Amino acid sequence: DTAVSQTPKYLVTQMGNDKSIKCEQNLGHDTMYWYKQDSKKFLKIMFSYNNKELIINETVPNRFSPKSPDKAHLNLHINSLELGDSAVYFCASSQDSNQPQHFGDGTRLSIL
Amino acid sequence: GENVEQHPSTLSVQEGDSAVIKCTYSDSASNYFPWYKQELGKGPQLIIDIRSNVGEKKDQRIAVTLNKTAKHFSLHITETQPEDSAVYFCAASMGGGGNKLTFGTGTQLKVEL
Repeated sequence: DTAVSQTPKYLVTQMGNDKSIKCEQNLGHDTMYWYKQDSKKFLKIMFSYNNKELIINETVPNRFSPKSPDKAHLNLHINSLELGDSAVYFCASSQDSNQPQHFGDGTRLSIL
Repeated sequence: GENVEQHPSTLSVQEGDSAVIKCTYSDSASNYFPWYKQELGKGPQLIIDIRSNVGEKKDQRIAVTLNKTAKHFSLHITETQPEDSAVYFCAASMGGGGNKLTFGTGTQLKVEL
């Protein structure tokens, strides 16, 4: 069973559209994260949630809105997609904010 | 904020040789240092980590050393195998407060037969 799963794996869409990426973890973890990996493979945190509460918002444009319906899910909604949003987005989770983070396999977002 | 530098950006070794990847961090408050391996098309996978109260940690062919005074830490892989070929990332965190990981820029390791 996949511990941290993201859907979709690939997302190709046009500039200006709105899209969502879903993340689920079956590890019973309390803390979940979104990271962005750019074309040079640089990984940067975007958001962190602990028990459905936003803990970190790393100066991400407000076109990006995370939503955590329960502690096992953290979805990422992106409005008015721009070319610069093209990247691989990774979801991760950890038992709590002092434990190792486990990553999903990513969603590759391509903006045409 | 924290800044993590990682070297080298690419590393090519012969099978059976050792590989060493080095990272430095800027914030002395950082106390947790994980290493991740990322294979093509996959997410980063935690391979080893170390906390600031420990100077060295080993797990089979992989070891990590930490020098808090100099603010640097290193990954050592011995007896490299072709399956070790991947991109390796170091990271630093202060733990707590959301556990924000600041990543290095990655090292592409290639193990040649």
